[in-house]
Amino acid sequence: SAVISQKPSRDICQRGTSLTIQCQVDSQVTMMFWYRQQPGQSLTLIATANQGSEATYESGFVIDKFPISRPNLTFSTLTVSNMSPEDSSIYLCSVQDSGNTIYFGEGSWLTVV
Amino acid sequence: SQKIEQNSEALNIQEGKTATLTCNYTNYSPAYLQWYRQDPGRGPVFLLLIRENEKEKRKERLKVTFDTTLKQSLFHITASQPADSATYLCALDGNSGYALNFGKGTSLLVTP
Repeated sequence: SAVISQKPSRDICQRGTSLTIQCQVDSQVTMMFWYRQQPGQSLTLIATANQGSEATYESGFVIDKFPISRPNLTFSTLTVSNMSPEDSSIYLCSVQDSGNTIYFGEGSWLTVV
Repeated sequence: SQKIEQNSEALNIQEGKTATLTCNYTNYSPAYLQWYRQDPGRGPVFLLLIRENEKEKRKERLKVTFDTTLKQSLFHITASQPADSATYLCALDGNSGYALNFGKGTSLLVTP
């Protein structure tokens, strides 16, 4: 298993600003994923972030809005840019182990006002 | 399009009974299926993974079945306890083969 730490755990942001979420893993992992979970909804994959290459974004998500960094095998950041109230959500970092199990951080709960 | 369907209505059961949650999927040929537990305001926690060639898997009070013909998985919690109250998510391997696609989850409430 992997222990994943996310920062911030919760934040209230002003419309039009940007916020960067940090994800730290206690072991080296190849694949990291960023998910979003809007209120009452399921988890939606934003992008897959592999170290040494650009993130791969899912349909409906673009790099300009959600830039991702993956500088090493234990760390990643997701930035939510030019936020609007529709971006209010839980953002979850996750990693996959060799057995295909995915482990999640506790999430970062963003409220945009 | 690919769909993962879980009962949207909350499941209320009495302590000690067996809870059974359903996950149906369409337009998928998953190599494996996973179940997660999510408590309010927290990230999902992995419970069980079952592969396409496995019919059933158990872990303590949990049992998962996987019927690739019916395209359905059943998740059972035996001798349920109030602490089992949470939302349970079903997930399948996605198009990339790595990330997971999740159902909306079913809320379980176990009352004393």
